[in-house]
Amino acid sequence: SQKIEQNSEALNIQEGKTATLTCNYTNYSPAYLQWYRQDPGRGPVFLLLIRENEKEKRKERLKVTFDTTLKQSLFHITASQPADSATYLCAPNAGGTSYGKLTFGQGTILTVHP
Amino acid sequence: DAGVTQSPTHLIKTRGQQVTLRCSPKSGHDTVSWYQQALGQGPQFIFQYYEEEERQRGNFPDRFSGHQFPNYSSELNVNALLLGDSALYLCASSGTGTEQYFGPGTRLTVT
Repeated sequence: SQKIEQNSEALNIQEGKTATLTCNYTNYSPAYLQWYRQDPGRGPVFLLLIRENEKEKRKERLKVTFDTTLKQSLFHITASQPADSATYLCAPNAGGTSYGKLTFGQGTILTVHP
Repeated sequence: DAGVTQSPTHLIKTRGQQVTLRCSPKSGHDTVSWYQQALGQGPQFIFQYYEEEERQRGNFPDRFSGHQFPNYSSELNVNALLLGDSALYLCASSGTGTEQYFGPGTRLTVT
């Protein structure tokens, strides 16, 4: 069955450092992969989407990579700030008939300490 | 431009009861998806509505049903509530793009 694993439930880093979050998937061939941010008691907020034919995508301090051979996506936040503290969710999507049906990992709780 | 709105914010029900949750999509969006999120877990896909029809469904029993209206708003109905149905229910809307826009959710507690 399809499985999505995000590295360690919690990640603690110091302000100014780079946070790296991992999303691994098995029994899956996603056409694209999305990353969302979720704050406590709120709905997820879309951050970035990367397609299977793209190796890397950037948006301001955010960078996502997608390795279809390793079946892994890495999500980086550079020059991290306490305001980046949140839960980050990855969602690979097979596309095609599964278009719009997001399957999420369990999320990684990131805490950035001042 | 209002984003996705959901009502009510919180709800407490008793086992065996029925509940209806409501969602209004972001302006310009015609597709609505519903997710269930248990504490400490990622959201789980329930189903998706497009053009007033259920287009896709996740692994949820028939006790979970939905509806989409001509104005694209949607309802999620859950019958015969179980304690395990306690969760945050999220509505997400999308248009032509692949990203989804989520509402704040409805916190359902079943006692």
